[in-house]
Amino acid sequence: EADIYQTPRYLVIGTGKKITLECSQTMGHDKMYWYQQDPGMELHLIHYSYGVNSTEKGDLSSESTVSRIRTEHFPLTLESARPSHTSQYLCASSPGGGRYEQYFGPGTRLTVT
Amino acid sequence: KNQVEQSPQSLIILEGKNCTLQCNYTVSPFSNLRWYKQDTGRGPVSLTIMTFSENTKSNGRYTATLDADTKQSSLHITASQLSDSASYICVVSDRGSTLGRLYFGRGTQLTVWP
Repeated sequence: EADIYQTPRYLVIGTGKKITLECSQTMGHDKMYWYQQDPGMELHLIHYSYGVNSTEKGDLSSESTVSRIRTEHFPLTLESARPSHTSQYLCASSPGGGRYEQYFGPGTRLTVT
Repeated sequence: KNQVEQSPQSLIILEGKNCTLQCNYTVSPFSNLRWYKQDTGRGPVSLTIMTFSENTKSNGRYTATLDADTKQSSLHITASQLSDSASYICVVSDRGSTLGRLYFGRGTQLTVWP
């Protein structure tokens, strides 16, 4: 079992609210990722980080933002939630590039009403 | 365009039976291919990872094969158990970036009935 944690696991929130999804890992990995997954669909990369103070947007356009102030922590923030943001958000970390394993957290199921 | 296609989309088998899931990809340049198991409401967990030179790799009752020439992979599950019910995702990594970019299939939803 990978040491990567996400909170909350489930969140139901009204339109317009600001939310932060937490992700933390205790493996000391430099690379961290956020993916979005809708039911029955593939994972889409929305944000990634090479290390502290490094953040980049992924393949799928997202209105969320991320920060990487500490190696172990990679939170995702939505300033104003909308029903279109309803999805599962998965955080992952890796010790290196494409040859290395990516370890996934349990995910946050977000529902915006 | 880098793509990963999986078949079948869903599969129902009886407990104790074997099954094979398929994956075709067009990702280039190829680095490795992974199979993940994702239980409902959970994050994916790695089953196997294979590089270009590896044809087969096993993890308990799971055996993955790779044909890098035809860009095809399969995951064979032997003597299925109820706990095997999950989505099985084929994931391909490219060699072209230091990020370790992964390309995901949509998964095969496997249901094992008693």
